[in-house]
Amino acid sequence: DTAVSQTPKYLVTQMGNDKSIKCEQNLGHDTMYWYKQDSKKFLKIMFSYNNKELIINETVPNRFSPKSPDKAHLNLHINSLELGDSAVYFCASSPATSGVHNEQFFGPGTRLTVL
Amino acid sequence: AQKVTQAQTEISVVEKEDVTLDCVYETRDTTYYLFWYKQPPSGELVFLIRRNSFDEQNEISGRYSWNFQKSTSSFNFTITASQVVDSAVYFCALSEVNYGNNRLAFGKGNQVVVIP
Repeated sequence: DTAVSQTPKYLVTQMGNDKSIKCEQNLGHDTMYWYKQDSKKFLKIMFSYNNKELIINETVPNRFSPKSPDKAHLNLHINSLELGDSAVYFCASSPATSGVHNEQFFGPGTRLTVL
Repeated sequence: AQKVTQAQTEISVVEKEDVTLDCVYETRDTTYYLFWYKQPPSGELVFLIRRNSFDEQNEISGRYSWNFQKSTSSFNFTITASQVVDSAVYFCALSEVNYGNNRLAFGKGNQVVVIP
């Protein structure tokens, strides 16, 4: 049973296109995240949702729009893709315990290549 | 400003040698959490350990051990008797309670190559 799953695993597309990446977790966690890992392996938070509410929105271009239809899903839509968007995108989830920062469980990643 | 510094970019060791990965963090919070994650060549991120700022006990798990020193803001990770399967990128990360909403601030990672 996959705890945090992402689709697709690989995404190759042309500049200017719009694409979505889906994420689902079956761990019953309240909080979900999107991270971006660049070509130098640097991981940076993009967004976080807690019970469908946006709680972290880093300085990400507004071409990126997360959507959380329910607390088990957090999708990432990207408009007008640019070359610099090429990266691996990781979804993660964690339980929400007041005053405690629990470990985050990561999905397998989606490798996005913009041509 | 970089909150987590992992100075050694790539470390090569011969199998069975020990390897220590340094992690230095920076925070003004008194309550925070530190983590280590492993990213093997297959690409997934695997959680290894979480430590809160009030628990300075060192920890050992099999061949892995961690040394947390608040006085030097360091949370170092040692792999004893390394094996080829330990070849991976290891990330140290910080989560601040009063700032961050549980976001993980990652270091740049240590690429460990274990040579058979």
